[in-house]
Amino acid sequence: ENVLTQSPGTLSLSPGERATLSCRASQSVRSNLAWYQQKPGQAPRLLIYDASNRATGIPVRFSGSGSGTDFTLTISSLEPEDFAVYYCQQRTSWPVTFGGGTKVEI
Amino acid sequence: EVQLLESGGGLVQPGGSLRISCAASGFIFVSYGMTWVRQAPGKGLEWVSSMSADGVTYYLDSVKGRFTISRDNSKNTVYLQMHNLRAEDTAVYYCAKVKATSEWYFDYWGQGTLVTVSS
Repeated sequence: ENVLTQSPGTLSLSPGERATLSCRASQSVRSNLAWYQQKPGQAPRLLIYDASNRATGIPVRFSGSGSGTDFTLTISSLEPEDFAVYYCQQRTSWPVTFGGGTKVEI
Repeated sequence: EVQLLESGGGLVQPGGSLRISCAASGFIFVSYGMTWVRQAPGKGLEWVSSMSADGVTYYLDSVKGRFTISRDNSKNTVYLQMHNLRAEDTAVYYCAKVKATSEWYFDYWGQGTLVTVSS
C-alpha cells in the first residue's frame, strides 16, 4: 500500500496569506496525485488532479506541483472560504489511498 | 448538473448486513466508473471500493469478502452490499463519480449516508 503523509497536520494562517501544504508518498506515484478540499458537514471537492491540473471551476489561487514522491498544494492568497481540510490522493496503484489531511484554520 | 444521491444508511448490529445505494443523474452513467469512499467520525477519507464502467471491481483489503459493489445501468444506480459488519465500519459512506476511464480521481461526490454499526 502506498502511504501518503501530509504535513503539517494543522496550518494556522490569516486571510490573504499564502498556504503551502505538503504530501509525501512512500512510493513514487509519478504525477498521479489529486488534492481535495472538505469543509465541515460537506462532501470532498476535487481541486487538482495529475499533480498540477485544476479541476473545473477551481479558482486560479489554487495550484499544485510535484512528481514522484513529493507534492505541494499552494493557495496563493487565502480567502475566508478556503479554511477547510485538504487531502491528497494517489491513483497509481491499488488500493487508492488518501493522505491523513491538513487542516487550514484561521 | 451531476447529482449523486446516497440512501440506505442506518443503524445495524455487529455481524449484520446493509445495502446502500447511490442514484446518479446528469451524466452518461454507463460510461463512468463509480467509487465508494468512507469517513469515520472525526477521521479522514478511506477508499472502500470501485467499479469501472466495464464492470471490473476493486476492494480495500479489510472489506474484501464482506462488501460487494455492483451497478444497475438501467437505473443509473451503484450499490454497496455490506455483510458481517463491524464497529470499525461505522462511517459516512460517500459515492463518487470517477473522472475518466482509468483516471481514478473522483470529480463529483454525493452528500453521504451514515452507517452505524453498534449493538
